Amino acid sequence: KQEVTQIPAALSVPEGENLVLNCSFTDSAIYNLQWFRQDPGKGLTSLLLIQSSQREQTSGRLNASLDKSSGRSTLYIAASQPGDSATYLCAVSNSGNTPLVFGKGTRLSVIA
Amino acid sequence: KAGVTQTPRYLIKTRGQQVTLSCSPISGHRSVSWYQQTPGQGLQFLFEYFSETQRNKGNFPGRFSGRQFSNSRSEMNVSTLELGDSALYLCASSLTDLTDTQYFGPGTRLTVL
Repeated sequence: KQEVTQIPAALSVPEGENLVLNCSFTDSAIYNLQWFRQDPGKGLTSLLLIQSSQREQTSGRLNASLDKSSGRSTLYIAASQPGDSATYLCAVSNSGNTPLVFGKGTRLSVIA
Repeated sequence: KAGVTQTPRYLIKTRGQQVTLSCSPISGHRSVSWYQQTPGQGLQFLFEYFSETQRNKGNFPGRFSGRQFSNSRSEMNVSTLELGDSALYLCASSLTDLTDTQYFGPGTRLTVL
């Protein structure tokens, strides 16, 4: 059974700092991995989707990497801003059309 | 392009009642899935619909049901509400299946008293 873990559960950093969020999964036979952002009381916003054959994806100040063999993904946020404050979740999809398995997220606070 | 919409945004019910939540996917999206989010359990998958057929189902009791209409709009129903059903219910849509990028709605906050 796939399990997804995100550590730490919460992180506080000063504005301008570069930071890395971690995601690990127990079954390396994934189809793809997605990173989402969730603002308090709101739905999820898709940030990046990495296919199992890819090593990384970039969007603006965000860069996500994937190491399937070690069961890890990282989300790198460059030059953090207070507007980046949110909970970041990763989710993996195993083979075929199977439900996403989510981690419990990392709550990020960027202090001005 | 309009995003995923969910109605109502907030609901307060009492134990034993039933509730129906609605989700309108992004135009052209045919896969609609539902999730329950609680502080303790995080995001848990309820079910996925495609072309009016339930294609995937999570580990929830039969009190939780859903359906999809020909225009891809979806509803989920929870009967005989329990206190533990209090949660944020999220709907997501995608082009064809769960491996596509998922687009989430704002959610319906259900409180059971």
